[in-house]
Amino acid sequence: DSGVTQTPKHLITATGQRVTLRCSPRSGDLSVYWYQQSLDQGLQFLIQYYNGEERAKGNILERFSAQQFPDLHSELNLSSLELGDSALYFCASSVAEGSTGELFFGEGSRLTVL
Amino acid sequence: AQSVTQLGSHVSVSEGALVLLRCNYSSSVPPYLFWYVQYPNQGLQLLLKYTTGATLVKGINGFEAEFKKSETSFHLTKPSAHMSDAAEYFCAVSGGSNYQLTFGKGTLLTVNP
Repeated sequence: DSGVTQTPKHLITATGQRVTLRCSPRSGDLSVYWYQQSLDQGLQFLIQYYNGEERAKGNILERFSAQQFPDLHSELNLSSLELGDSALYFCASSVAEGSTGELFFGEGSRLTVL
Repeated sequence: AQSVTQLGSHVSVSEGALVLLRCNYSSSVPPYLFWYVQYPNQGLQLLLKYTTGATLVKGINGFEAEFKKSETSFHLTKPSAHMSDAAEYFCAVSGGSNYQLTFGKGTLLTVNP
């Protein structure tokens, strides 16, 4: 158990819909990262928050947005969903602001868009 | 810019045999290097990391990796494979605190009895 909690574990929805994925980081961790894992693209970094502020942005589509709340949990919002958005979405957390330390990953949220 | 190339998307070994998973990286700054493991239906878990200092790094479950700057490599090895080692392994590189982790596409390790 990494201490990172993601909900829901599985989600099935239709094209055009909007979903929200939730992440609670490990106790004491200030950084939250979102990754998308798919068979063709591998593990892609989407976005990072540190103590409520956006820290870095990767290959995140404009239809996707995220935020980190004062209690440090984070939400990833995916809108106008397309078939290609079907993937496993991971949240990870770390103590540090930068990527010199260990990231602790949740078990992921598997999104299926039909 | 950073990138990681993992040679071989699938490696199959017999139980008790040597495990060698290959990783080459590209980084414009001195790299921080990582190996993560993903067991079925689980998130990624850190196996080992190289930041500075000793180039031979030991990790959990008997795995180790050697940083070779001249070869830009960070191959993962284990002397004797166990059935429980079957998983997907990801190599990752970071340029430090101002850089994000960049992952390779992963190598699926199968261990045959």
